[in-house]
Order: sequence, then structure tokens, then C-alpha cells
Amino acid sequence: GAGVSQSPSNKVTEKGKDVELRCDPISGHTALYWYRQSLGQGLEFLIYFQGNSAPDKSGLPSDRFSAERTGGSVSTLTIQRTQQEDSAVYLCASSIGQGTSPLHFGNGTRLTVT
Amino acid sequence: QKEVEQNSGPLSVPEGAIASLNCTYSDRGSQSFFWYRQYSGKSPELIMSIYSNGDKEDGRFTAQLNKASQYVSLLIRDSQPSDSATYLCADPTGGFKTIFGAGTRLFVKA
Repeated sequence: GAGVSQSPSNKVTEKGKDVELRCDPISGHTALYWYRQSLGQGLEFLIYFQGNSAPDKSGLPSDRFSAERTGGSVSTLTIQRTQQEDSAVYLCASSIGQGTSPLHFGNGTRLTVT
Repeated sequence: QKEVEQNSGPLSVPEGAIASLNCTYSDRGSQSFFWYRQYSGKSPELIMSIYSNGDKEDGRFTAQLNKASQYVSLLIRDSQPSDSATYLCADPTGGFKTIFGAGTRLFVKA
């Protein structure tokens, strides 16, 4: 079946511009995560959605970052007034969300802020 | 705050040797763990899961969970250059937010 789909795969933007990154999780997966990974670094947790519960936004690095998940499916991560330090790969993952289910990752969006 | 800790490495082993990757965790209530492999430039992929104390073997991979000592390990037998990657330990924390370790980089020298 289809996996986690992220778009765009690459995004180059100028400093100060806003960007939107999209994630389409596996159908039926209630849990959705956004992570950021800078070159050579580990996964940095950003935000977690689980069903209809309030999202866990504890990883968002600043108020320039926001995310929403519409209809319990597609999610959009928005970065306003991008800075060069926002350059990274943004990974989305989804899971069944019950018990101890593994995460399935998308291929990521590589964001470059010039 | 639940934590999962891993030595970032790099861990370098010769081809054919056993690679041993370790992880410690803070939550005594954690019941199961996952190991993910991440090749350079790629996304993490699940390679092993362990749900009970003891060992679980799958091909060249063995996952070990020791709840008394709060550590998890992954053994890779007959290591191959294609095993060179970063290995991430993860605690799914019973349906709440999954907690990842920082990952251990493994190099297998031909």
C-alpha cells in the first residue's frame, strides 16, 4: 500500500519567506509526527498529533513554526519568516497510534533557506 | 521527561565481526522498544522490535531487552559494509509520543 507521502521533496526559499510543508500519512494512521534533522544530527521532535487530542507542540523551536492536521489526515507544517538556521530535512511519520506501534517515515522535505 | 540515550559513535567494526549497539532508557515502565536504521540521506526504517525481556533474533540481527538494568541492545552478526548506517533506538512509550535516542553511527570496514 501507499506509504507516507511528503511534498515538496526539495524546497529552496529566501530568508524571510514563509513555507508550507505537506504530509499525507498512511490511511487509517491516527498518530502523526513531524521531526527536523539537520545534517549529521539526530531527529529533533517538533510536534505530535494523536487522533482528536490536542497536539503535543512541545518541540516547536519558536512561534514561527506551526502545524495543523485537517480531518485527522493530511498535515501541514508552516514556517513563517524563514531563517537560515531553519535549513534541514523535515520528516513526517505516522503510526496506527495504538499501544506500541512503530512509526513509518516519509522521504522528507529538504528545506534550504538562502 | 522520558529519555533514551545512545553513544553517538562512530562505532567501527571490520567486515564479518559482531557489531554491538547499546541504548539505555529512563522509564522503568517501558515495555517495548524499536530499532530503526537510517542510511545517509534516507529516512529511518524499522528493522527490529522487541516486546519482552530477553532476546529476539531475526536473521543476522538480535535485539536484547534487559528491563532490570534498563538497557536495550542490537547485535549485528557477520557485519557487512551495507550495514554502515545510523541506528536509532526508540521507546514507543505505550501509545504516547515515541522517544528516540540520538542514534549511533556504525561503520563496517571491508
